[in-house]
Amino acid sequence: QSALTQPASVSGSPGQSITISCTGTSSDVGGYNYVSWYQQHPGKAPKLMIYDVSNRPSGVSNRFSGSKSGNTASLTISGLQVEDEADYYCSSYTSSSTLYVFGTGTKVTVL
Amino acid sequence: EVQLVQSGAEVKKPGESLKISCKGSGYSFTTYWIGWVRQMPGKGLEWMGIIYPGDSDTRYSPSFQGQVTISADKSISTAYLQWSSLKASDTAMYYCARLARGRLDSWGQGTLVTVSS
Repeated sequence: QSALTQPASVSGSPGQSITISCTGTSSDVGGYNYVSWYQQHPGKAPKLMIYDVSNRPSGVSNRFSGSKSGNTASLTISGLQVEDEADYYCSSYTSSSTLYVFGTGTKVTVL
Repeated sequence: EVQLVQSGAEVKKPGESLKISCKGSGYSFTTYWIGWVRQMPGKGLEWMGIIYPGDSDTRYSPSFQGQVTISADKSISTAYLQWSSLKASDTAMYYCARLARGRLDSWGQGTLVTVSS
């Protein structure tokens, strides 16, 4: 089971919107709604930002939103802020023996 | 408040054994899966395996099957990750996290394992 494919980096200016893609297959992203997104600041543990494709945990800003189309999930950050600069990982349940798989990770830079 | 507290950083030599821990509190430890995640230096996240402390049902990612052992002691709400013979390539940060319906909703602070001769 290969990792889900994400762009290595995405950048934007404060106030702009950016979108990070997460491409898998019909055995993972396309086949299940167990897609989640995690934010990781340097030296810190990851933090859940989106679950079940588009749901936000309590306390997560509504500037973060998720969606899915076919085998590709997306995370959109609107009104980009300096504190959004971090690495972002998607994850999905998979029918393969690995059970779950992470994306390759995307570094978000706020210009 | 859900909390997962991991054991401290370890420095080991190749060939040595190691067991790191992850203690849960603030929720029913036996009714949620615990996942272990590896992050090698400067690299991404990797699923290692999961355990259900209620009955110790354990599933491993194929890449880690036979390389590590995941266990749990429900009497003390603690999950474990262990190696019988460490390699330099095991140097990484290891995270435990609570798995709730497909998402890792609470994470430990991480345990840094350094293996060097």
